[in-house]
Amino acid sequence: DAGVIQSPRHEVTEMGQEVTLRCKPISGHNSLFWYRQTMMRGLELLIYFNNNVPIDDSGMPEDRFSAKMPNASFSTLKIQPSEPRDSAVYFCASSPLGGYQETQYFGPGTRLLVL
Amino acid sequence: RKEVEQDPGPFNVPEGATVAFNCTYSNSASQSFFWYRQDCRKEPKLLMSVYSSGNEDGRFTAQLNRASQYISLLIRDSKLSDSATYLCVVNKMDTGNQFYFGTGTSLTVIP
Repeated sequence: DAGVIQSPRHEVTEMGQEVTLRCKPISGHNSLFWYRQTMMRGLELLIYFNNNVPIDDSGMPEDRFSAKMPNASFSTLKIQPSEPRDSAVYFCASSPLGGYQETQYFGPGTRLLVL
Repeated sequence: RKEVEQDPGPFNVPEGATVAFNCTYSNSASQSFFWYRQDCRKEPKLLMSVYSSGNEDGRFTAQLNRASQYISLLIRDSKLSDSATYLCVVNKMDTGNQFYFGTGTSLTVIP
């Protein structure tokens, strides 16, 4: 299995631009998570999906952030318009649903820099 | 109150030392427990699951105390390659499939 795949790996953009991050979870995993990590705030859960349905989006910072999961093998996190304070590493993770001690597997992350 | 709390450290220990990390969780309904390791500029990776009876994997030992709601990780005979941030993770499945991460404990093993 290729693991969780994220693209792009690095993104540099200017303030005000739209940014779209992409994630392909591990095949067969029912849960997908988007996290943001910064030095100041650590790892923060933004949103997670079970069976393609958003379950908890309370971590999404504001309306500029949106996430979709149109099918079991693809999800996007969009920031529009982007701001310098959005600069962070964005991780996608997936997990099986319903099993004891089933764990999460992280993608390599997207390093976003908003100038 | 945070769901999971860890001492951020840093812990600086010499090679060969034994070091222990503790983590507390707030919700007694938590069901699954893990330690993750994160290297600089990399993604978190599962180090080991934590089982009620305690479990060992080589130099690493994990313990769970449900009564006191804490988890521990013991590293024996520290190696330089153990330098990383160690994250305590708790999973609650009664409200979905949410994982709660501690802020991590930084470990540096010194030659």
